[in-house]
Amino acid sequence: QVQLQESGPGLVKPSQTLSLTCTVSGGSISGDIYYWSWIRQPAGKGLEWLGRFYTTGRTNYNPSLKSRLTISVDTSKNQFSLKLSSVTAADTAVYYCARGDFGEEFFDFWGQGTLVTVSS
Amino acid sequence: QSALTQPASVSGSPGQSITISCTGTSSVVGAYNYVSWYQQHPGKAPKLIIFDVSNRPPGVSYRFSGSKSGNTASLTISGLQADDEADYYCSAYTSSSTLYVFGTGTKVTVL
Repeated sequence: QVQLQESGPGLVKPSQTLSLTCTVSGGSISGDIYYWSWIRQPAGKGLEWLGRFYTTGRTNYNPSLKSRLTISVDTSKNQFSLKLSSVTAADTAVYYCARGDFGEEFFDFWGQGTLVTVSS
Repeated sequence: QSALTQPASVSGSPGQSITISCTGTSSVVGAYNYVSWYQQHPGKAPKLIIFDVSNRPPGVSYRFSGSKSGNTASLTISGLQADDEADYYCSAYTSSSTLYVFGTGTKVTVL
């Protein structure tokens, strides 16, 4: 069974760049055809899709974050990453990585989530 | 893209059935049969319970069922159990650049 695990700093200063990594186990990140997404959830609030990376190399970003967001993949480590620049307190949230199947529009496997706080 | 509208809370007694609505627009929910539902217990990651409006992934109880009419999707939980107490989120695919829109979330309380 596929498992995803987020990792990265839990505290980021305002205006800096938030960097997270999602490590995939139980399956190859480049095998078959999947897309790999980042989703976040501020405390006590709903979910927000941030962006996704296809194993074909294509990326899609939420327009509300597109200018600040980069998603990349390291197939040698079976990982994909998120970088969000110029963060503010509004970016404080639990960040999840998740998998979807090509041609299917849902998220079938999720990481446990990691809390990132933006504060000086 | 605005979030899909869900009731903030729904409650029911054990054994009862409850239904959670998820209202969007003709371009979201209404346009495609790509509506999914997620269950989230406190402090846990969301778990997929319904995909493509009414399909259940392997291992998900038959007590969870989904449907859609026009711009509104619905999740029904029958035979309510204590472990069903959680937050529930709908999600829909949209052809806009936002791609995925989630609902506002519904807290289910088992009385």
